[in-house]
Amino acid sequence: DGGITQSPKYLFRKEGQNVTLSCEQNLNHDAMYWYRQDPGQGLRLIYYSQIVNDFQKGDIAEGYSVSREKKESFPLTVTSAQKNPTAFYLCASSIYGRSSYEQYFGPGTRLTVT
Amino acid sequence: GENVEQHPSTLSVQEGDSAVIKCTYSDSASNYFPWYKQELGKGPQLIIDIRSNVGEKKDQRIAVTLNKTAKHFSLHITETQPEDSAVYFCAASLNTDKLIFGTGTRLQVFP
Repeated sequence: DGGITQSPKYLFRKEGQNVTLSCEQNLNHDAMYWYRQDPGQGLRLIYYSQIVNDFQKGDIAEGYSVSREKKESFPLTVTSAQKNPTAFYLCASSIYGRSSYEQYFGPGTRLTVT
Repeated sequence: GENVEQHPSTLSVQEGDSAVIKCTYSDSASNYFPWYKQELGKGPQLIIDIRSNVGEKKDQRIAVTLNKTAKHFSLHITETQPEDSAVYFCAASLNTDKLIFGTGTRLQVFP
């Protein structure tokens, strides 16, 4: 059963702690993306990777970091430098790193920082 | 850079009625316009898309129209059903590496 998995579904952290969100895909897709979703603001791109060992900043990369050591994995770390980390985080992948290819989304991780 | 505006933010319709969601984009060079549906607690899923060389595309009860001159595109859902209730996102792209999403429309279909 192919798809994208994100874990955990809900995550709670104390302010000042770094936290890593997992994203795994078994679709053999080259490109992977991280979005942040806030009420009334749609999806905003944090980071994306078009190929293993390479990634680019999106529109709101400050306070986040990523790695792409394997084709199937693209973990996102929310650092203590992120001012408002509480949000719903979505991971996506597409067969190639061009925006005209369908993006397949995972179920998301809801992060709450208190 | 590209900017996408989406209206309305919420839409309520009676089952069987039609629903229309509209988006405008700023960059006239954009050439790919997908629509995603997000059900509660799930990630968005592509439901239909259109490219700039086409004015309209249909898939059963769903259609998308594109007006390049006015730089807007619309999603039309006919004969709405309760299972159409979801948040719908439009997006625009230059076929480079990023999609720019609208802010979403929450559609509620009442039986």
